[in-house]
Amino acid sequence: GAVVSQHPSWVICKSGTSVKIECRSLDFQATTMFWYRQFPKQSLMLMATSNEGSKATYEQGVEKDKFLINHASLTLSTLTVTSAHPEDSSFYICSARKLRGSETQYFGPGTRLLVL
Amino acid sequence: GQQLNQSPQSMFIQEGEDVSMNCTSSSIFNTWLWYKQDPGEGPVLLIALYKAGELTSNGRLTAQFGITRKDSFLNISASIPSDVGIYFCAGQAGADSKLTFGKGITLSVRP
Repeated sequence: GAVVSQHPSWVICKSGTSVKIECRSLDFQATTMFWYRQFPKQSLMLMATSNEGSKATYEQGVEKDKFLINHASLTLSTLTVTSAHPEDSSFYICSARKLRGSETQYFGPGTRLLVL
Repeated sequence: GQQLNQSPQSMFIQEGEDVSMNCTSSSIFNTWLWYKQDPGEGPVLLIALYKAGELTSNGRLTAQFGITRKDSFLNISASIPSDVGIYFCAGQAGADSKLTFGKGITLSVRP
C-alpha cells in the first residue's frame, strides 16, 4: 500500500495565529514529500519540496518564512503557516514519494484551512 | 509555471457512456500520470505510464502514453455515477523532477 495521512483535516483559526499541518506516510518511508495548495476550481500548485534531513526547496513566489516546512523523519513532514491571514485560506495537500528515483507521488487527503 | 493542457473544463455524459480525455504538452515528459479528485479530498492515482506508446488499463479505465511523449489520453468505459469528479493529468520530465499538472476536467455523469 501507499497511504498518506494529513492532520488536521480542517482547521479554522484567527488572523495572526500560526497553524501546523502534519503529513505522514503510514506504510512506507518517504525520502521526499511535497506540499501543494489548491484554490477552488483550480489545479494543484506546488509550494515546496522537502527532503528528509535537509532544507525544503521552495517554488518561486512562495515565502519560506511564512510557510515553514520541517521533514524530520522518513514518515513525517510538517507545514506551518505562520501569522496566517485570510488570503492564506486554502486547501493544502501533501504528497510523498516512496524512494529516490521512483516517480509516483501518493497524495494525502488534504487540509482545509480557513483564516478568519 | 508550465501547465499541461486539458480541455474542455467540464464534461457531461450519460451513465453507461464511454468518455475520453486528452492531455497535451508543448514539452516532452517521461512519465504521465492520471489522478482523480473527489470534492474535499486529495487526488488519487488512477494510472501511471512510464514508456512512450504504453497502453495501461485499470478496470474500466485505460490510458495511453503518446508516442511523441507530449500527450496522453484517458478513457473511461461504461461510466457509472461514482466516476463523477475532477480528472487531472500530470507529467514528469525526470525521476527527480516535480510534477506538472493540467487544470483538470470536471466529469458529471447523469443517471
